[in-house]
Amino acid sequence: EAEVAQSPRYKITEKSQAVAFWCDPISGHATLYWYRQILGQGPELLVQFQDESVVDDSQLPKDRFSAERLKGVDSTLKIQPAELGDSAMYLCASSLAPRAGAYEQYFGPGTRLTVT
Amino acid sequence: AQKVTQAQTEISVVEKEDVTLDCVYETRDTTYYLFWYKQPPSGELVFLIRRNSFDEQNEISGRYSWNFQKSTSSFNFTITASQVVDSAVYFCALSGLYNQGGKLIFGQGTELSVKP
Repeated sequence: EAEVAQSPRYKITEKSQAVAFWCDPISGHATLYWYRQILGQGPELLVQFQDESVVDDSQLPKDRFSAERLKGVDSTLKIQPAELGDSAMYLCASSLAPRAGAYEQYFGPGTRLTVT
Repeated sequence: AQKVTQAQTEISVVEKEDVTLDCVYETRDTTYYLFWYKQPPSGELVFLIRRNSFDEQNEISGRYSWNFQKSTSSFNFTITASQVVDSAVYFCALSGLYNQGGKLIFGQGTELSVKP
């Protein structure tokens, strides 16, 4: 069964360092989402791609976060510099198309980030 | 504005008991979709069900059933004869037609603990 791949699974970094996460969506899924999940809360969208274009990055802290999906396939989310408040689970999801709710989103295992 | 409320933060039951997880939502959209996801300790979000706002029929899948009531803006989830493997955090989520990106709005989650 096809799955969304993410790496690394765990990352510990010091404050002010740079960190990057990678996501490979299910083959053929045009839409890719990055969510952040703080401990004890539900996930919140950071950025959404349709193919290689950003559809929604309204909740992305653009002073320190960046995301790209250059060829419309895999994607990288970067934080520079990391802050203590960035400690969270970063989840990647993909779906066939963006039409709201028409397709379920499939989630990867996540990257658990700890900033010390 | 769209919002999902899961008032039950934690629920603890003994195996074989039935348990209902509550979900109340707010949206101005007339067309929207509701979801339930399961998050086991491993962290990956597992899709359970999607309902659209025009389909109020209850659904049953094995030990799982869902009760959608537009009149009370609720989409409750019942597990019959719970098992230890059902222990996880369960999230209810909403996606509105006019939120064209398909972004999911999650509730805070309900942590279910099923004890043997």
